[in-house]
Amino acid sequence: EPEVTQTPSHQVTQMGQEVILRCVPISNHLYFYWYRQILGQKVEFLVSFYNNEISEKSEIFDDQFSVERPDGSNFTLKIRSTKLEDSAMYFCASTRDSQNQPQHFGDGTRLSIL
Amino acid sequence: GESVGLHLPTLSVQEGDNSIINCAYSNSASDYFIWYKQESGKGPQFIIDIRSNMDKRQGQRVTVLLNKTVKHLSLQIAATQPGDSAVYFCAENPNTDKLIFGTGTRLQVFP
Repeated sequence: EPEVTQTPSHQVTQMGQEVILRCVPISNHLYFYWYRQILGQKVEFLVSFYNNEISEKSEIFDDQFSVERPDGSNFTLKIRSTKLEDSAMYFCASTRDSQNQPQHFGDGTRLSIL
Repeated sequence: GESVGLHLPTLSVQEGDNSIINCAYSNSASDYFIWYKQESGKGPQFIIDIRSNMDKRQGQRVTVLLNKTVKHLSLQIAATQPGDSAVYFCAENPNTDKLIFGTGTRLQVFP
């Protein structure tokens, strides 16, 4: 069964450094998402992406965040200048259509900011 | 204010019993709902979904019930097995791209 894959599984970064989290969505999917889950808390929406542009973003997704689909398979989340409070699990998801479809999630990247 | 870590409600059931996990959703405009299972160290895994024009949907060993009047969703797992132990999240789709997740319920299955 096709799945969303994320790399790395764990990223440790010094505060203030840039980090790029990578995702390979399911191949025939057109809509891509990033969510985060701070330890012990809910899964929170960050951003959705379709047709090479952001279609929706949350208030968490401020100017330090950006997303990109650099080629036909990868979807990346960049955090420009990391803060301690960025420590969380970051999940990528994808769907074939935009709404009323289950979003399929990867196993996440655990980001630890020191 | 910010939550510093939510204490997850926990449901403990004996292997073979049926489990019922409940969820209250917030947005009356939501028309699509999903249940996800999250095992330790893994991402949310799709279990079953339901659209707002239905009040019940069955899958393999799982049933989702939707009560729009009181904005309530439940997940029933028949003959619960040790492999069902996980955190279960409901999620609602309020006619936008995003899913809004609930706080989750930890299901513990003991022999």
